[in-house]
Amino acid sequence: GAGVSQSPRYKVAKRGQDVALRCDPISGHVSLFWYQQALGQGPEFLTYFQNEAQLDKSGLPSDRFFAERPEGSVSTLKIQRTQQEDSAVYLCASSLVPGQDTQYFGPGTRLTVL
Amino acid sequence: RKEVEQDPGPFNVPEGATVAFNCTYSNSASQSFFWYRQDCRKEPKLLMSVYSSGNEDGRFTAQLNRASQYISLLIRDSKLSDSATYLCVVTRSNDYKLSFGAGTTVTVRA
Repeated sequence: GAGVSQSPRYKVAKRGQDVALRCDPISGHVSLFWYQQALGQGPEFLTYFQNEAQLDKSGLPSDRFFAERPEGSVSTLKIQRTQQEDSAVYLCASSLVPGQDTQYFGPGTRLTVL
Repeated sequence: RKEVEQDPGPFNVPEGATVAFNCTYSNSASQSFFWYRQDCRKEPKLLMSVYSSGNEDGRFTAQLNRASQYISLLIRDSKLSDSATYLCVVTRSNDYKLSFGAGTTVTVRA
């Protein structure tokens, strides 16, 4: 079946622009995660949803970052007034049930802020 | 100090060789442990879970040492297709998020 999909795959933004990144999890997966991966680093946790509820947003680096999953399926990560340090790959992952279940990652969105 | 630390490598090994590397984790409350594989410009994919008793999956062997808080991965009979970055991952009890190390790069040469 289809895996996790993300769009766009690549995004170039000018500093100060707002961007919106989309994640389509595997159908039926309850849990959805966003991670940020800087060049040469491992992914860093941003936020977690269980269905439509955002249960953990402790990893969001600033109030310019906002995520939602209004109907418990598709999720959007929005970054306002982008800065150069926001340049990274943004990975979405989903898992069937909460807890220690395998997380399946999407291909990521590579954001470059000029 | 980062929660998960890995030797970045790179480990450059010939085909057929054995390569092994470790990662250490700082939080003694860590509960679950994994190795993920990430190919260049691709997403991470689960390679294997790591159990206290140690476990094998084909040419891959993972070990966990809770007392010393380290995890190891050994690859036997290396193939060219094993070239990748290997990410050490831990989770804490009652916490769903994955904590990643920065990765260990392995390059297998012909």
